[in-house]
Amino acid sequence: EDKVVQSPLSLVVHEGDTVTLNCSYEVTNFRSLLWYKQEKKAPTFLFMLTSSGIEKKSGRLSSILDKKELFSILNITATQTGDSAIYLCAGNAGGTSYGKLTFGQGTILTVHP
Amino acid sequence: DAGITQSPRYKITETGRQVTLMCHQTWSHSYMFWYRQDLGHGLRLIYYSAAADITDKGEVPDGYVVSRSKTENFPLTLESATRSQTSVYFCASSEPGVAYNEQFFGPGTRLTVL
Repeated sequence: EDKVVQSPLSLVVHEGDTVTLNCSYEVTNFRSLLWYKQEKKAPTFLFMLTSSGIEKKSGRLSSILDKKELFSILNITATQTGDSAIYLCAGNAGGTSYGKLTFGQGTILTVHP
Repeated sequence: DAGITQSPRYKITETGRQVTLMCHQTWSHSYMFWYRQDLGHGLRLIYYSAAADITDKGEVPDGYVVSRSKTENFPLTLESATRSQTSVYFCASSEPGVAYNEQFFGPGTRLTVL
């Protein structure tokens, strides 16, 4: 059974801090790892990672994948209150699980002014 | 409106009643999904569909039924609602052959079973 585990489950920081969110996975026929941000509504897509060591960046957010150690991290620099959200990572498998995503529990990030 | 929509957005029902949550997408995506979200569990897959008339169980299918007679619609039915099915339900769609294989989510339905 595929499994994705995120840590920490919750994190409280102050504006300007840098945070690192972790995601480890065990996904058969692994194809990609996706990160989503969820505010008080539906998850919205952040990144998809398929290759080890290649950093994806979008503004203050960046993410990288290690396919040997089976984990990914999401970094947020100079955090702002608008970064407060649940961050979800998900593993995408091939084979008989083609098209499905297995989600982790999520990390609840709270950024105080 | 283009995109993926869910109805109703909020629903309160009683134990034992049948409830159907609707999901409609306008992108003609082949894959559609139903998830439930509970604190501490992230998103858990209930059922998914790879095409019209093709459905398969996810991680937590018990107590739920789905159908997909048309590509754009994927209703989820709780045959006899239980309190443990109180949750937020998200529908999603994707077209896995596209490079990103990103799933697009509907706005969610908050279901309370009394």
